Amino acid sequence: KAGVTQTPRYLIKTRGQQVTLSCSPISGHRSVSWYQQTPGQGLQFLFEYFSETQRNKGNFPGRFSGRQFSNSRSEMNVSTLELGDSALYLCASSSGQTQETQYFGPGTRLLVL
Amino acid sequence: AQRVTQPEKLLSVFKGAPVELKCNYSYSGSPELFWYVQYSRQRLQLLLRHISRESIKGFTADLNKGETSFHLKKPFAQEEDSAMYYCALSGESNQFYFGTGTSLTVIP
Repeated sequence: KAGVTQTPRYLIKTRGQQVTLSCSPISGHRSVSWYQQTPGQGLQFLFEYFSETQRNKGNFPGRFSGRQFSNSRSEMNVSTLELGDSALYLCASSSGQTQETQYFGPGTRLLVL
Repeated sequence: AQRVTQPEKLLSVFKGAPVELKCNYSYSGSPELFWYVQYSRQRLQLLLRHISRESIKGFTADLNKGETSFHLKKPFAQEEDSAMYYCALSGESNQFYFGTGTSLTVIP
C-alpha cells in the first residue's frame, strides 16, 4: 500500500496570508489527524477527522481549520499567518478504530516571513 | 489532564551499552502506549506499541501501570539507533498525545 502523502512539501508565505495543506491517507484509512511539530514544543495535536467529521480538536486558535472529503483526503487551512506558525505540519492516518496505530506522512514545512 | 512526559531531551550512550529512554504518562482511563522513532531525514514511524508486545530492532517496552511508565529499553545500543524517539498515548477518544521527544546519540 502507498503511504501517507502530503503536498506541498515546502511552502514559504508572508504574515497575513493564508495557506492550505493537503494530506492523502493510506488507502482504506478513514481517520486523518494533523499535528504541528516545532523544535521546542514537539508534536502538538491540531485536530482529527473521521468520515468527514471533526472528531477531536486540540488547543489551537480558530485560524487553524480543516476538512475531510468523502475519499478521506484531508486539507488543513491556516488563515492570517503569523511568524509563530512556521513549523513542520504532519498528518497521520489510521483505520479510525479506537487506539489504532497512526501512520505519518513526510510533512509540509511551512516558513512564514 | 492527559500528558506524556519524556524527561530527557538528549541522551548519549556508547555503542554496546544498554539504553533506556524514559516515558511517564498521566491518563485517567485505559490508554494504549506507543513508541515512535524518527531517523534523520525520514518520516515518523512506529517502533512498537504495548498491545503487540513485540521486540522491534532489539527494543522492548514494559507498561508499568503502578508507576504510569512505559520506558523503552535495549540491552546493546547500535549506531543506527541514533534518532529522535517519541512516546505517545492514545486514549479512548482516539486522540494521540505525544511527549516532547528524546534525541538519542550512540557514540561509536
